[in-house]
Amino acid sequence: DVKVTQSSRYLVKRTGEKVFLECVQDMDHENMFWYRQDPGLGLRLIYFSYDVKMKEKGDIPEGYSVSREKKERFSLILESASTNQTSMYLCASSYPGSSYNSPLHFGNGTRLTVT
Amino acid sequence: AQSVAQPEDQVNVAEGNPLTVKCTYSVSGNPYLFWYVQYPNRGLQFLLKYITGDNLVKGSYGFEAEFNKSQTSFHLKKPSALVSDSALYFCAVRDDRGATNKLIFGTGTLLAVQP
Repeated sequence: DVKVTQSSRYLVKRTGEKVFLECVQDMDHENMFWYRQDPGLGLRLIYFSYDVKMKEKGDIPEGYSVSREKKERFSLILESASTNQTSMYLCASSYPGSSYNSPLHFGNGTRLTVT
Repeated sequence: AQSVAQPEDQVNVAEGNPLTVKCTYSVSGNPYLFWYVQYPNRGLQFLLKYITGDNLVKGSYGFEAEFNKSQTSFHLKKPSALVSDSALYFCAVRDDRGATNKLIFGTGTLLAVQP
């Protein structure tokens, strides 16, 4: 079974702090994704990566960056956290890279609160 | 551009009754459609997908979904609801004329099954 692990379930950070959200998958998946989930808005794609050191902007990349130095790890970075980034963050992975029918496998999420 | 709509924020059904959670989509090419379920404080779990072939797709936990090309719909169904089915359900779509990595989610429908 695929396991996608997000390092923190809950985080509380202050405005202006640099925040790292870590995600690791154990199935050698090529694609990895970061979504944020907000009530009434569903899931919105922030960034995704289809290979090591590759990244693509999703629909709402502003205020975020990502890092993928190893295939199994995909990090989401908030350079200077703001209160409007308070949300549930979901990491996901999928394989193979060029298939339309691959489902995403999700981690349990990190609930980030920025005060 | 691809999009997906879930017109109901919440669906209420009595245990033992059939349930339907609605989803409509819009794509330029051929759709690849997915349903996911989210239990409280968890990530999303894959339920089922439609790629091609039979319009009725069977998935996990007794759920099925019916693809209707003329109505651009992919409604989730179950013949007999259980209290344990209470959760948040998301429909998602990929467009085979879009980026293979981009899966667009609806806003979610909360299913409440009353005992």
